[in-house]
Amino acid sequence: DTGVSQDPRHKITKRGQNVTFRCDPISEHNRLYWYRQTLGQGPEFLTYFQNEAQLEKSRLLSDRFSAERPKGSFSTLEIQRTEQGDSAMYLCASSLVGGRDNEQFFGPGTRLTVL
Amino acid sequence: DAKTTQPTSMDCAEGRAANLPCNHSTISGNEYVYWYRQIHSQGPQYIIHGLKNNETNEMASLIITEDRKSSTLILPHATLRDTAVYYCIVGNTGNQFYFGTGTSLTVIP
Repeated sequence: DTGVSQDPRHKITKRGQNVTFRCDPISEHNRLYWYRQTLGQGPEFLTYFQNEAQLEKSRLLSDRFSAERPKGSFSTLEIQRTEQGDSAMYLCASSLVGGRDNEQFFGPGTRLTVL
Repeated sequence: DAKTTQPTSMDCAEGRAANLPCNHSTISGNEYVYWYRQIHSQGPQYIIHGLKNNETNEMASLIITEDRKSSTLILPHATLRDTAVYYCIVGNTGNQFYFGTGTSLTVIP
């Protein structure tokens, strides 16, 4: 257990539905990252936050995707009008930038299946 | 895009050292080398990272060549629980990671 938690762990939805995932980072960490991982591939970067500010978004993050970190603590990732191609593991990570070590700690992921 | 090249798969006998290579010939002066591993259906687990010097912790050792263009992760006494996909990542601290497809290590009894 890294201290990063994600909820839910599994989500099955029908195409066209909206889904929202939550990530709770390690409490003192100021950066929070979202990645997506499909079968047989390494995680792909989606977006990251410094406190509540969203600093960068990947081109993978289409306009159906939105992420927030309203108080600089937990974050949510919403996918609107889900498509079968959205089926993947969604991973959250956090880090403390400015500390001695800046490694990212990953949560267990949320596995999304779109039927 | 990932800036590293790793073998697709490797085997190692249980109890022996596992040496996982990684090439990162385009690494910049301020970029670190990070190693993570991922056991099936879990999130990536941090192993070790370094800038220039060799590093050792309770999990592994990291050997970085003097020109920093390649590195080797060493698991000194591999166990069956070390079977996983190992990712070598090059990046600046605090920035996003670009993963490749990693090395699938199988520890054989």
